[in-house]
Amino acid sequence: DIQMTQSPSSLSASVGDRVTITCRASRSISNNLNWYQQRPGKAPNLLIFAASSLQSGVPSRFSGSGSETDFTLTISSLQPEDFATYYCQQSYGTPRTFGQGTKLEIK
Amino acid sequence: QIQLVQSGAEVRKPGASVKVSCKASGYTFNRYGISWVRQAPGQGLEWMGWISTYNGHTSIGQNLQGRVTMTRDTSTSTVHMELRSLRSDDTAVYYCARDVGYGDYGGVRFDSWGQGARVTVSS
Repeated sequence: DIQMTQSPSSLSASVGDRVTITCRASRSISNNLNWYQQRPGKAPNLLIFAASSLQSGVPSRFSGSGSETDFTLTISSLQPEDFATYYCQQSYGTPRTFGQGTKLEIK
Repeated sequence: QIQLVQSGAEVRKPGASVKVSCKASGYTFNRYGISWVRQAPGQGLEWMGWISTYNGHTSIGQNLQGRVTMTRDTSTSTVHMELRSLRSDDTAVYYCARDVGYGDYGGVRFDSWGQGARVTVSS
């Protein structure tokens, strides 16, 4: 199985901050990397697919980059509704493993 | 609009089975597969498996093989996931999600999700 490791596991930031979350795959996954946001009690929501493609309807302050084994999700200017948990997920092979999540909290 | 509507919460005893349904609407059902993802309380996301809505072919996560069956009913645009021999660590919210492909290497994204179905396993 391909292991996905996110860092940090949690992060405190303020409205307006720029934040970056990283995700590392245990082996090369090309650009088959997705990012999801999950608010408490809700289903995950797709933000970024194919490492850097913005899903329709997602604000442009979200961006993704990377390839092979190292990937990042960046939020350029945090908004109150962005405080949530973020997951990366690889779709290069099955099982389609997720990272352990990064909880973004208000400072 | 695309919608995946799941069945309601269930409570089962250890050793029993549960069947969760996921009804799709707003798109051509057999053009996209459905994956199932579960989330134990306070934990992360675990991919369980996938079903082709076109031909019923499935791919099940190794740790669940033998206990999970996924089926589809094209007449009602519904996918079902049955989990047998339930244990306490199967207590989780179970999500279905639409599988949409991209790229040249078989990449997929889960672009629409059901609302989740809570399954509680307790004696």
